[in-house]
This record gives sequence, structure tokens and C-alpha cells, in this order.
Amino acid sequence: SSELTQDPTVSVALGQTVRITCQGDILRRFSASWYQQRPGQAPVLVLDARNIRPSGVPDRFSGSSSGTTASLTITGAQAEDESDYYCNSRDSRGNHLVVFGGGTKLTVL
Amino acid sequence: QVQLVQSGAEVKKPGASVKVSCKASGYTFTNYDIHWVRQATGQGLEWVGWMSPDSGDTAYAQKFQGRVTMTRDTSINTAYMEMSSLRSDDTAVYYCARLILGATYNWLDPWGQGTQVTVSS
Repeated sequence: SSELTQDPTVSVALGQTVRITCQGDILRRFSASWYQQRPGQAPVLVLDARNIRPSGVPDRFSGSSSGTTASLTITGAQAEDESDYYCNSRDSRGNHLVVFGGGTKLTVL
Repeated sequence: QVQLVQSGAEVKKPGASVKVSCKASGYTFTNYDIHWVRQATGQGLEWVGWMSPDSGDTAYAQKFQGRVTMTRDTSINTAYMEMSSLRSDDTAVYYCARLILGATYNWLDPWGQGTQVTVSS
């Protein structure tokens, strides 16, 4: 299966650490990338599938994976991190096909 | 800088067609696949399909088969997504994005700014 599952909502206290997870059998074979989407804006890559941050993404964003689960960790969450986060990976049906997780709405308290 | 710029918002009646453009700049257009993703209000990201600007090869999500066509004009570095027989539930923001593809990984970067397509009678 190429489905990716994310928790719909996650909350974190300001300055604390939060982990957003993405689960799917496909992650045993292919890595996940992560996108941040603020209201009314296009998704923006925050972590590529090598767990490398694009230029401009704060180093409090990091990634890891184990088995069928990929994780995006924000260490010291800031108010501006409150967003929707989506994971993405390859679809097993073809090299050029992709699949998204359902998204996680992160609330910073 | 690498950039994808999409065409403006569209309002269409049910049964009509819409064609959205995505103009690439800052890189060699034919070297990277273009994907199309849509998002209805309050919903998640939904993959629509993919096109190779080099070969013109395409693949579409099963639910859009027969209704969506992706094309490109390499002379102006522009990709197009056309959807026909529009329904109210096609109302969404449509995004194009460039695919970075590796042996065991892929990611989409950058994304276009999005095009609002509204289907209403």
C-alpha cells in the first residue's frame, strides 16, 4: 500500500519539542519529505527526503525515520510554526508517482 | 531563482473545462517532472497527476482519468493542466510543483502559488 497516515492534530507548548509522524508501508522502501503550509499559502518544503533542510528553514526542524514511520521534529517550537504539515513519498505504483499524508495541524500553545 | 508562476483564478460553470498554466523559470524546464496537486477548502493535498516536460509522458490519478490532460510548451517553459466536465466538487486550489527524483526518494520543490478554480452555476 502507498497510503500515508498522519495524526490530524498535534499541539505543543511554546518552546517545547514536538514530533509529527507519518506512517505507511511504502516508507520501508522510500523516504519521506515534509511540507509546511500556512493558511492561504502554497505548501513549502521544510525537509527533503534526505532529511536536509532547504536554505532558510530554521535548524529547529529535523527529520528521522524508522521502519514504516517517518518523523518531523520541531525542537523549541515557535508561534510561527503553527501550520499544517504534510508528508510525501513515492507511490509504489511508479517512480514518478507521489502520495501525500492527510496532513497534521500543529497548534502552538 | 527557481520559480513556478501559475495563471490566475478561474470561475467555471458545471460541465465546462478549465486550463491552468504553470510557467517555470530559473532552471532547465525539461530536466524535471511537473506534478499537479489540488486542495479543496479545509482539506488536504490531493495528487492529480504528473507530466514529463521532456518526453511529454503523463500519468493521472485514477479518479481523474479521462477528465484531465497535462501538456507543455517547451518553447515558453510552461506546463498546462486541463480538466474537463467540471463539477462543483472540483472547486479547489490547484498547484503545480517540480519533482526532485532520486533512487529511493523524491520531493516537490518549488510549488507554484496556486490557482483557485471555482465551479459554480
